[in-house]
Amino acid sequence: AQSVTQPDIHITVSEGASLELRCNYSYGATPYLFWYVQSPGQGLQLLLKYFSGDTLVQGIKGFEAEFKRSQSSFNLRKPSVHWSDAAEYFCAVVDLYGGATNKLIFGTGTLLAVQP
Amino acid sequence: DTGVSQDPRHKITKRGQNVTFRCDPISEHNRLYWYRQTLGQGPEFLTYFQNEAQLEKSRLLSDRFSAERPKGSFSTLEIQRTEQGDSAMYLCASSPADSGANVLTFGAGSRLTVL
Repeated sequence: AQSVTQPDIHITVSEGASLELRCNYSYGATPYLFWYVQSPGQGLQLLLKYFSGDTLVQGIKGFEAEFKRSQSSFNLRKPSVHWSDAAEYFCAVVDLYGGATNKLIFGTGTLLAVQP
Repeated sequence: DTGVSQDPRHKITKRGQNVTFRCDPISEHNRLYWYRQTLGQGPEFLTYFQNEAQLEKSRLLSDRFSAERPKGSFSTLEIQRTEQGDSAMYLCASSPADSGANVLTFGAGSRLTVL
């Protein structure tokens, strides 16, 4: 079965510092990958997605992610973190083994705290 | 279009009571999903509708849970005889049905607390 692993449960960075959140997936073929962000008490907002083509994808709010097939990874990056980036971040993959449902399978999330 | 709407946003109930959540998806989206999210976890898939047809149910969806989408528009998720373990955020999402690269738009969620 497909799965997504986010190894870091909690990360703290200083405002203005760079950020990298890790995501590893398990899937035999080319996956469809996503990063979502969730602010406290809110639903999930799409940051960016990878379907095919250029392995470096740009998203909203200055985020980018790089697909590396050799490492089965899709890490999220931001060069300079703002206090408003404090939230929980989820990596997800489309379940292409599940027939027509095409549901998303999520990782357990990484909670980002930003220090002033 | 205001996106995916969920109601109520918060529900506190006593164990054994029934609760119902409503989801209004984006109007042109015919795919609708329900997810459950507990504290410290990612969203877990519960069920999926394409138009009015419920095409998949997770094993997480016990007999006490029922979901409907009678006219292929809004959907309801009912939990009967609630248990404390049902306390969670219930998320609804919708997407257009045109590709396997499925971009879900999520609602803000309905948070359930069972006392």
